[in-house]
Amino acid sequence: QSVLTQPPSVSAAPGQKVTISCSGSRSNIGNNYVSWYQHLPGTAPRLLIYENNKRPSGIPDRFSGSKSGTSATLGITGLQPGDEADYYCGAWDSSLTPGVLFGGGTKVTVL
Amino acid sequence: QVQLVESGGGVVQPGRSLRLSCAASGPTFRNLNIHWVRQAPGKGLEWVALIYYDGIEKYYADSVKGRFTISRDNSQNTLYLHMNDLRAEDTAVYYCSTFAIWGQGTLVTVSS
Repeated sequence: QSVLTQPPSVSAAPGQKVTISCSGSRSNIGNNYVSWYQHLPGTAPRLLIYENNKRPSGIPDRFSGSKSGTSATLGITGLQPGDEADYYCGAWDSSLTPGVLFGGGTKVTVL
Repeated sequence: QVQLVESGGGVVQPGRSLRLSCAASGPTFRNLNIHWVRQAPGKGLEWVALIYYDGIEKYYADSVKGRFTISRDNSQNTLYLHMNDLRAEDTAVYYCSTFAIWGQGTLVTVSS
C-alpha cells in the first residue's frame, strides 16, 4: 500500500489563498472519492471535504475541494492564523490489498 | 451525533499485546463503519483497519496484517483493536473514527 503524494508545506500571508495537491493513481483517487482533513497538534483530525468537493455542516466555504483524474486539490481562501495546521488527503484504494490511503500531510503556514 | 472515546493505551514491551477500546455514544453505532487510524510521533496519519457495521467485513493495513484484529460489540456500542506482537514502530496515538467523527485518541508506547 503506497501513500498519496502531497507537498510537505505551503505558506501564504493572511487573506491570501493556498492550494494543496494530492496525487495518486487509478486504483485510489482515480476511481474513488477523496476526503480532506485538518489536523492541529494535540487535537483530533477534522473532516473538511468529503466525496471530492462536499463540505460537512460547519465547515466554512473558504475550504473547497476538487478532483481531476488521479489528482485532487484542496483550496483555502481568505487564509486565517487559525488555519495553520497539517492537512491530509485520503482515499480508498481498490488494489489487491484494499484499504484507505492517506497523503503524507501538508503543513500550512500563515506568514 | 455519535461521540467516540478511546481507551486502553499505555506503555508495553516489544512482543507483548494490548487491546484498545472505543466507546461510542448514541444509537447509531450499529449502523456505522468504523476505522482505526494512528499517528506516530512526528509522522503523518496512517490508516490501520476498518470494520463494517455488521462486524463481518474487515480490512487491514499491510503493516499490521496478521498482528492486529479489529472487532466490535454492537450490543455494547464498543469497537476494539487487539494488538499482538507489538513493535517499536507501533508507537503512536490511535484514533477510532468514522472519518466524519473522530475520538481524541489514546497513546500506545512500545518500549522496553
